[in-house]
Amino acid sequence: DVKVTQSSRYLVKRTGEKVFLECVQDMDHENMFWYRQDPGLGLRLIYFSYDVKMKEKGDIPEGYSVSREKKERFSLILESASTNQTSMYLCASSLFMWGTGYNEQFFGPGTRLTVL
Amino acid sequence: GQQLNQSPQSMFIQEGEDVSMNCTSSSIFNTWLWYKQDPGEGPVLLIALYKAGELTSNGRLTAQFGITRKDSFLNISASIPSDVGIYFCAGLVLETSGSRLTFGEGTQLTVNP
Repeated sequence: DVKVTQSSRYLVKRTGEKVFLECVQDMDHENMFWYRQDPGLGLRLIYFSYDVKMKEKGDIPEGYSVSREKKERFSLILESASTNQTSMYLCASSLFMWGTGYNEQFFGPGTRLTVL
Repeated sequence: GQQLNQSPQSMFIQEGEDVSMNCTSSSIFNTWLWYKQDPGEGPVLLIALYKAGELTSNGRLTAQFGITRKDSFLNISASIPSDVGIYFCAGLVLETSGSRLTFGEGTQLTVNP
């Protein structure tokens, strides 16, 4: 079974702090994704990565950055946390086979971040 | 970009009833996925569909990839209390989105014992 783990289930930070959310997958997947989930807004893509050291902006990248130094690890960074970044953050990974449409994304358990 | 309309937004049913939910789009999709999310957890993949017209079952769950490639439905038969959660559809358009999935907004299912 694919396993995607996230460093924390719950996190409380203060406004202005730098926050690191870590995600690790154990299935050698090329693709990794960070989403945030808010009531009534569904899942929104923040950033994704096709390969080590590669990153692409998603739909809501403002206020976030990412790092992918190793294939199995994808970090989401909040440079200066703000209260409107209080949310559930979900990491996912997938093995994408070009031209086939195969893209089953597997999710971690989520990190519920509260910014005070 | 692509948008998925998922309905209903919420359902309240009695244990033992069958459930049906669907997603529609104005765009053609190459792949449809259905996920379930338990409270406080990440979504878990239930069923993946890759061909128009494909009908796939996973236990009491059945999902179909619409013939027009613009819709998909998920049925749950003989619901039980542990079916409670949020169900999401997700679609992939190969030509324009690479590996990015488009998600529906979810159907919140409540099952009364």
